[in-house]
Amino acid sequence: ETGVTQTPRHLVMGMTNKKSLKCEQHLGHNAMYWYKQSAKKPLELMFVYSLEERVENNSVPSRFSPECPNSSHLFLHLHTLQPEDSALYLCASSQDPRLAGWYNEQFFGPGTRLTVL
Amino acid sequence: GNSVTQMEGPVTLSEEAFLTINCTYTATGYPSLFWYVQYPGEGLQLLLKATKADDKGSNKGFEATYRKETTSFHLEKGSVQVSDSAVYFCALSDLITGNQFYFGTGTSLTVIP
Repeated sequence: ETGVTQTPRHLVMGMTNKKSLKCEQHLGHNAMYWYKQSAKKPLELMFVYSLEERVENNSVPSRFSPECPNSSHLFLHLHTLQPEDSALYLCASSQDPRLAGWYNEQFFGPGTRLTVL
Repeated sequence: GNSVTQMEGPVTLSEEAFLTINCTYTATGYPSLFWYVQYPGEGLQLLLKATKADDKGSNKGFEATYRKETTSFHLEKGSVQVSDSAVYFCALSDLITGNQFYFGTGTSLTVIP
């Protein structure tokens, strides 16, 4: 595997289910991100893990819970979601700009298309 | 604060037409600017980038010049192909804000034969 991989690619779940999205990066990066992509809206940064620090967007509901066990793996745990949470969830990775220098080009996975019924 | 504004789509062009997708930004520091492309069913891919004023990023026939005086980073291509049909995102990253990327809403491009 190369680049950034995400599983599953598609997920349909009921509002009472618990599921997890998985992301893995094979690029040797030290920062990983979760984004939510909804139609007609800018990409929404949900969570950042970088150099073992977690930064989150305070507007993200608590029904989304991230986990980053190491610099190569990132999870997004989902529970009691709402239909408006249906979206494409994108994972990305980069070198932390504090180490990389000028810019922190982000590499994206293909996304998980989530549908909440 | 930081933000990116790009032209609304969708944009429909005939093959070999000239493409311009406008992007303007506001930033508190000295941002780097990017164009990402998203093909159907895929994640975002970096198309080109520019890290300082007057830099020109280019890739696959696409170009964009970092214009600090007009705070713009417009994407251009002289002759589009059907395979260029995708959604294009303008984005900025500012070292002051660390890992935060600011994306535009995306512009959908359809190229017809």
